[in-house]
Amino acid sequence: EAGVAQSPRYKIIEKRQSVAFWCNPISGHATLYWYQQILGQGPKLLIQFQNNGVVDDSQLPKDRFSAERLKGVDSTLKIQPAKLEDSAVYLCASSPAGLAGLGNEQFFGPGTRLTVL
Amino acid sequence: LAKTTQPISMDSYEGQEVNITCSHNNIATNDYITWYQQFPSQGPRFIIQGYKTKVTNEVASLFIPADRKSSTLSLPRVSLSDTAVYYCLVGDNPRNTGFQKLVFGTGTRLLVSP
Repeated sequence: EAGVAQSPRYKIIEKRQSVAFWCNPISGHATLYWYQQILGQGPKLLIQFQNNGVVDDSQLPKDRFSAERLKGVDSTLKIQPAKLEDSAVYLCASSPAGLAGLGNEQFFGPGTRLTVL
Repeated sequence: LAKTTQPISMDSYEGQEVNITCSHNNIATNDYITWYQQFPSQGPRFIIQGYKTKVTNEVASLFIPADRKSSTLSLPRVSLSDTAVYYCLVGDNPRNTGFQKLVFGTGTRLLVSP
C-alpha cells in the first residue's frame, strides 16, 4: 500500500517569499491533516480536513497560511508571506476517519523541511 | 484539553526492556491513548493504541490502569534501531465536532546504546 506522499522534501526561501507544499494521502482516506513541527518539539496540528471540508483550523495562522483540499483527495498548504519563525518541518497525515471515540491511526508522510532565511 | 506528561529522555541498553510512563490526568471518557514513534527526518509512526487494561502487538505492550490517568508503553528487548522519540497522545475533541484531534507533546527521547 502506498503511503502518504509529500513534495517537495526540502525548500529554502527568503522571508516574505511564498511557498506551497503538496500532499497526496493514502487512497480512500477521508481525513487529512497538516502539522507543523519545529525542531525539538512535537508536531502541532495546523488544519484538519474531512473529505474537502475543514474540521479544525483553530491553530492555522490565517493571515499568512492557507490550505485547500479540492475534490477531497490531494491538498496544498501555502505560506504567504513567509517569516523566519516558519522554519520547520511540515507534515501531512491521513486517516480513514476521524470520529470521536474511535481511535483512528494517522499515517504520516515524510514531511517537507522548510528553511526561511 | 487533555494534556500528557512524559519524561523528556531515557537511556537504555540493547536487549533491555524499556518502560515509558505517561500521565494524562484529564483524560476524557471517549479518549483513546495512542503512542507514536518518530525517527529523525521522518514523520511519526503509530505504535500502539488502547482504551483500558492491556494491549499487546508485535512491537510493544500498553498498560493502562483502571483510572486511565496514566499509561505505560513497554518495549521488550530494545535494539539500537529503537532509538527515537516516543509520543504519548490522547484524543481531543474540544468542539464536540465528532472528530478526534491529536495533541503531541514534546515526547520522550529514547537512546539505546550497545
